[in-house]
Amino acid sequence: DGGITQSPKYLFRKEGQNVTLSCEQNLNHDAMYWYRQDPGQGLRLIYYSQIVNDFQKGDIAEGYSVSREKKESFPLTVTSAQKNPTAFYLCASSLSGPYNEQFFGPGTRLTVL
Amino acid sequence: KNEVEQSPQNLTAQEGEFITINCSYSVGISALHWLQQHPGGGIVSLFMLSSGKKKHGRLIATINIQEKHSSLHITASHPRDSAVYICAVRNTGNQFYFGTGTSLTVIP
Repeated sequence: DGGITQSPKYLFRKEGQNVTLSCEQNLNHDAMYWYRQDPGQGLRLIYYSQIVNDFQKGDIAEGYSVSREKKESFPLTVTSAQKNPTAFYLCASSLSGPYNEQFFGPGTRLTVL
Repeated sequence: KNEVEQSPQNLTAQEGEFITINCSYSVGISALHWLQQHPGGGIVSLFMLSSGKKKHGRLIATINIQEKHSSLHITASHPRDSAVYICAVRNTGNQFYFGTGTSLTVIP
């Protein structure tokens, strides 16, 4: 089955530790995105990548880093510099071009203790 | 100010009622999307619109480009329609902007 997967579903980390969230897709999509969702707010873009080995900062990139070494994979690292990392993180992918919908992964809920 | 505004924020309906959720946006767009988020957090795409109207089962989505407004209608609502409905727009620079969502509860 084609789809987009994120792991793990729940993640707990101690303050000050870096943590990497996984996102994999087998839809052959060029574009991949990372969003953060907080209660009462819309999804906010952290990073996006339109092609392998290239990515751009979104609206709230500070304290996060990404890589895009393979078309299928777009991992997100939440660094210790991120002041308030506890949130729900969603990965998405789409074909390039303005008239293509995004497909979302199931999300990872990160809690920093 | 958010680029995408939705109303209402919360909506409770009796099973069978006709439901309307509204979305207004302030940026130039290439397409508008309606998404559904279930309590577990997963998001599915319901519609993508660049003009006119689309229908899928009991769901209807309309868009008025001149007024920068879209509506999502649910006919004969059912408890399984209970979810958060999110309006999102893709601007001409290929970035997505999301509304804060409308939380719908349909009571049997």
